[in-house]
Amino acid sequence: DAKTTQPNSMESNEEEPVHLPCNHSTISGTDYIHWYRQLPSQGPEYVIHGLTSNVNNRMASLAIAEDRKSSTLILHRATLRDAAVYYCILRDSSGTYKYIFGTGTRLKVLA
Amino acid sequence: NAGVTQTPKFQVLKTGQSMTLQCAQDMNHEYMSWYRQDPGMGLRLIHYSVGAGITDQGEVPNGYNVSRSTTEDFPLRLLSAAPSQTSVYFCASTPVGHGANVLTFGAGSRLTVL
Repeated sequence: DAKTTQPNSMESNEEEPVHLPCNHSTISGTDYIHWYRQLPSQGPEYVIHGLTSNVNNRMASLAIAEDRKSSTLILHRATLRDAAVYYCILRDSSGTYKYIFGTGTRLKVLA
Repeated sequence: NAGVTQTPKFQVLKTGQSMTLQCAQDMNHEYMSWYRQDPGMGLRLIHYSVGAGITDQGEVPNGYNVSRSTTEDFPLRLLSAAPSQTSVYFCASTPVGHGANVLTFGAGSRLTVL
């Protein structure tokens, strides 16, 4: 199973951009990169996904390295409501459909 | 659409008791899965299914049984609960096939085993 590596925690000031890194050096050619976040006392929710190109949606941007061995989730202006655990996972394209979550990055947003 | 619905939201069991956590989805998703999340930890995959009649083990399957008789439902059974199974359980689903197949999660079921 392809694994991802993320920092355990990060801090950001409110209204400033946040860059959350993820390493996935064993990614396969057709694996999608997914990001989810988990707000306190809630289930995880989808944030963004990508395959090769950078992606933008209303919640965030995803920057994918050219060799696809790393990616960065970008929150353009962090708010207190963005304080959560952010998970980067790989959508296993080998057919086994195992979505393996690591421990994620706990983002703390300072007012 | 209700999405992914988990019941019960809270449950307290005594060691050795059995129970079933229910998960239902109304999105016609072929893939369904169960995760557990211990305090301060990430999610660990218990079992998953890519369609009715098909189930497979995840990272931590011991002590849990599953079956998938319909597309909509994927119950998780604890045959003899142990304190080590105290956790929050999340069910998730997604379509199967080409594409990103992002997961939709339920709100969780908090289980305490005394």
